[in-house]
Amino acid sequence: AQSVAQPEDQVNVAEGNPLTVKCTYSVSGNPYLFWYVQYPNRGLQFLLKYITGDNLVKGSYGFEAEFNKSQTSFHLKKPSALVSDSALYFCAVRENNAGNMLTFGGGTRLMVKP
Amino acid sequence: GAVVSQHPSWVICKSGTSVKIECRSLDFQATTMFWYRQFPKQSLMLMATSNEGSKATYEQGVEKDKFLINHASLTLSTLTVTSAHPEDSSFYICSAPSPLVLAVQETQYFGPGTRLLVL
Repeated sequence: AQSVAQPEDQVNVAEGNPLTVKCTYSVSGNPYLFWYVQYPNRGLQFLLKYITGDNLVKGSYGFEAEFNKSQTSFHLKKPSALVSDSALYFCAVRENNAGNMLTFGGGTRLMVKP
Repeated sequence: GAVVSQHPSWVICKSGTSVKIECRSLDFQATTMFWYRQFPKQSLMLMATSNEGSKATYEQGVEKDKFLINHASLTLSTLTVTSAHPEDSSFYICSAPSPLVLAVQETQYFGPGTRLLVL
């Protein structure tokens, strides 16, 4: 069975500072990893994914994430946070042979203060 | 890129009534769609997998007779909450897998969600 953990319910960061949202996963095979962002009363928007290749993945809105196989982590990062980045972020995993079904982490609320 | 729409965005109904939520893939075909439920400040919980031309597959603990799913065509899946009660109030989100030609981009496209409030 696949699972995802986001250990922080909320992350607070000042505008302009770097941000990190943590994610760890557990799968029996090779993982496909994703980050999604959700704004209030909206569906999920795709940010980035790791399938294979370079461990550092760059995505939308200046976000990036680093796949670390030994630590089974896929932390989301951004060098300089914006107030508009404040939202709910979900990490998700799918095993490479698990069809299209995603397993989501519990979500982390990012608050960027001016 | 591919878009998934949901209708309605908001619905308020009285306890005991049934509510239908539509999920449409706008510029691609989806033989499979997923229905999720999200409680406030919580993650998405997969309710069921909707399959075009066959019965939906429900996750453990989800009542089939309560949440009726019909995948009427390759671009439309509907979720009907039958005899809704206040505890059914939630945010319902559907998604559809990427078409094969776009599979390198992402695995699922999500609808904007439907907020249901049962009084």
